[in-house]
Amino acid sequence: GENVEQHPSTLSVQEGDSAVIKCTYSDSASNYFPWYKQELGKRPQLIIDIRSNVGEKKDQRIAVTLNKTAKHFSLHITETQPEDSAVYFCAASISGFNKFYFGSGTKLNVKP
Amino acid sequence: EPEVTQTPSHQVTQMGQEVILRCVPISNHLYFYWYRQILGQKVEFLVSFYNNEISEKSEIFDDQFSVERPDGSNFTLKIRSTKLEDSAMYFCASSPQTGVETQYFGPGTRLLVL
Repeated sequence: GENVEQHPSTLSVQEGDSAVIKCTYSDSASNYFPWYKQELGKRPQLIIDIRSNVGEKKDQRIAVTLNKTAKHFSLHITETQPEDSAVYFCAASISGFNKFYFGSGTKLNVKP
Repeated sequence: EPEVTQTPSHQVTQMGQEVILRCVPISNHLYFYWYRQILGQKVEFLVSFYNNEISEKSEIFDDQFSVERPDGSNFTLKIRSTKLEDSAMYFCASSPQTGVETQYFGPGTRLLVL
């Protein structure tokens, strides 16, 4: 089955800096890659997703890139703010199967 | 904005007891899921449910687990005889339709088995 690896497990940046979180997946059939943000004690919230027919997607300060050949995808957050501090999860899914395979999560700490 | 809700937020139970975790998916969604996250580990898929039947289940979802949609709004996960290793955060999710659709997660139920 699919295996998703996520790095780093913790990331500390200064406010205003950029943060990059990387994930790799094993099954080339995976074609949907969402990113979730989970603040302490709250539900995972979708922040951005990408499908395998595009290489990059951007939404304000957040972007995701996908390299299908290398089977990796990354989350980029620019101009980080303290409210970006949370645990971020990547996931992969195969069309028609619906279940998500999650990475292990990255705890992002943005220092003011 | 509609959200998935889950009750209870926390549950403590004795080993061997039955527990029922409840979820109310977003009202016009058709697919429902349960995931669990053991402390310090990945979020793991348990089961998906569509059209009043299980569409897929993982190897974790053995005979001790069952799901039900008892009415038009609730979606439940039952653990028949809890074990210590069932202690985890359990997330319910729902999505509008099949294919690669977004899944919307509930806030989770933290289950502790003593």
